[in-house]
Amino acid sequence: SQTIHQWPATLVQPVGSPLSLECTVEGTSNPNLYWYRQAAGRGLQLLFYSVGIGQISSEVPQNLSASRPQDRQFILSSKKLLLSDSGFYLCAWSLGHPGNQPQHFGDGTRLSIL
Amino acid sequence: AQKITQTQPGMFVQEKEAVTLDCTYDTSDPSYGLFWYKQPSSGEMIFLIYQGSYDQQNATEGRYSLNFQKARKSANLVISASQLGDSAMYFCAMRTSGSARQLTFGSGTQLTVLP
Repeated sequence: SQTIHQWPATLVQPVGSPLSLECTVEGTSNPNLYWYRQAAGRGLQLLFYSVGIGQISSEVPQNLSASRPQDRQFILSSKKLLLSDSGFYLCAWSLGHPGNQPQHFGDGTRLSIL
Repeated sequence: AQKITQTQPGMFVQEKEAVTLDCTYDTSDPSYGLFWYKQPSSGEMIFLIYQGSYDQQNATEGRYSLNFQKARKSANLVISASQLGDSAMYFCAMRTSGSARQLTFGSGTQLTVLP
């Protein structure tokens, strides 16, 4: 069966520091991969998605970036964190087709910027 | 552009009773899919149920069913025989064929099951 791992679970970082969140998927190949951010008490906002190695689509302009160095690895990064980057970050995967495939989420990373 | 609206920020239900969580959507795409997710306080997003726009029957998964009214553009989640463990945030989401790799989420409904 497929599993998704996301780490770390919790992170406290100072303003201006770099960021690297990692997500890996097991048990499937060539998944679609996603990064979402959730502000407290709010819905999910799609940040990036990827349909293959090296293919990244950005949905929201910001100081974050994403990379997919391997088929089942998705990384969210920042060179200099802002206070507004605080939130709950979720990685997800889905099969590319058919369209009724749900997205499956990792356990998330709670990021606090001080 | 597609939009999901959940008008109930919070809902309460007595244990063992049924509850309906509302979701309306807006899209001009004739082909779309609707999803419901549950988010407990621990944060993980759990997929519950899916309804396709061309599906003739309402989707059901155990105690979850989806009341799909296409003309009204609504896709309400019905939870039967509520349990204390059902207390969580519930999100409605939509995928359209035009953005086949993206989900648009509503703002969520916080459900509390009372003993």
